[in-house]
Amino acid sequence: NAGVTQTPKFRVLKTGQSMTLLCAQDMNHEYMYWYRQDPGMGLRLIHYSVGEGTTAKGEVPDGYNVSRLKKQNFLLGLESAAPSQTSVYFCASSYDRLNYGYTFGSGTRLTVV
Amino acid sequence: EDKVVQSPLSLVVHEGDTVTLNCSYEVTNFRSLLWYKQEKKAPTFLFMLTSSGIEKKSGRLSSILDKKELFSILNITATQTGDSAVYLCAVRAGNMLTFGGGTRLMVKP
Repeated sequence: NAGVTQTPKFRVLKTGQSMTLLCAQDMNHEYMYWYRQDPGMGLRLIHYSVGEGTTAKGEVPDGYNVSRLKKQNFLLGLESAAPSQTSVYFCASSYDRLNYGYTFGSGTRLTVV
Repeated sequence: EDKVVQSPLSLVVHEGDTVTLNCSYEVTNFRSLLWYKQEKKAPTFLFMLTSSGIEKKSGRLSSILDKKELFSILNITATQTGDSAVYLCAVRAGNMLTFGGGTRLMVKP
């Protein structure tokens, strides 16, 4: 009964390095989302997916790419990390876009130095 | 651009006090408003509101939505130290949730 699992939980990157954050859900949810959370700014949507093979941009997509090759997985990539991408990243999923709340992962704390 | 604003930014109270947290919004194609509690890690779901004037309750927490005035409140009565958290309001419009900046509540013994 894992729900939404994010890996890794912590990471430190040097400016210019790349990395991929993995989000996996076992609830057969159609919709998946990547958010970033910065102090005092709530959560801001980076990218989202409404089904396997589909992705769309959210509020702050620049510097990030995503892929949803399998329904249960949603990957967030940083091609060339910048200090401005230091944040806590949350993945979330939902079964139905109208009638259900989101289930969140436990977050990934990323520091770019 | 969709906008969700929460107030106050932070609040310090003593155990037993009652608190009211506010959330106002400006969005197109409103679907629902959600409240989350965030302690150290992931936000956990509290309420989803879709209709005006219908209070949702869960123990000491309650919430109501006013779709005419575009706001919601979250009330917590008889606060306990375990209520200390960031409370997030989010509005669903279309496929996405737009979050407010949160209210940080600290309950002192």
